[in-house]
Amino acid sequence: LAKTTQPISMDSYEGQEVNITCSHNNIATNDYITWYQQFPSQGPRFIIQGYKTKVTNEVASLFIPADRKSSTLSLPRVSLSDTAVYYCLVGDGTGANNLFFGTGTRLTVIP
Amino acid sequence: GAVVSQHPSWVICKSGTSVKIECRSLDFQATTMFWYRQFPKQSLMLMATSNEGSKATYEQGVEKDKFLINHASLTLSTLTVTSAHPEDSSFYICSARRVGGRSTDTQYFGPGTRLTVL
Repeated sequence: LAKTTQPISMDSYEGQEVNITCSHNNIATNDYITWYQQFPSQGPRFIIQGYKTKVTNEVASLFIPADRKSSTLSLPRVSLSDTAVYYCLVGDGTGANNLFFGTGTRLTVIP
Repeated sequence: GAVVSQHPSWVICKSGTSVKIECRSLDFQATTMFWYRQFPKQSLMLMATSNEGSKATYEQGVEKDKFLINHASLTLSTLTVTSAHPEDSSFYICSARRVGGRSTDTQYFGPGTRLTVL
């Protein structure tokens, strides 16, 4: 299984850009990288998915270097409502690889 | 699009009773659904994979006779916790794998069900 490693926690002030990095050294050729956000007592919410280089949507950007052994979720100008746990998962969607959650990163946004 | 619902959102039951939790994909078909359990301050733990029309696949350490899973249609999977005990109290979350136009597919999660066994 493609194991992921993330920082346990991060703090940021409101209005700042936050970058959360995930390591996935044994990512397979067919694997995609997916990030989820989870608030307390809620199910995870899909944020963004990518394979290589850069992907951007209305809420975040995902940067993936050429070797794909890591990825960085970038949240522009965070607000208090972005306080949550962020998980990265890797897998090709056809097997079990993208079903196992790591510890996630607990982001706390400070006023 | 890609909305998954769960019912009930919370349930309290007496020890020894059975509880059924429903998971529905509202606007897409899901040949595969997944059931997770999450204890406070911990990550999600995969319990089982549910494929429409076939038996569920359980992860190691998950009792299949205690956690009954049925996936009778492309939009509905149910998890029944049989003879529930206080240690089964947890947050149960389902997800549905949406097969889309991209070369990969993505899990979409339900809002979760909080089970408290007294």
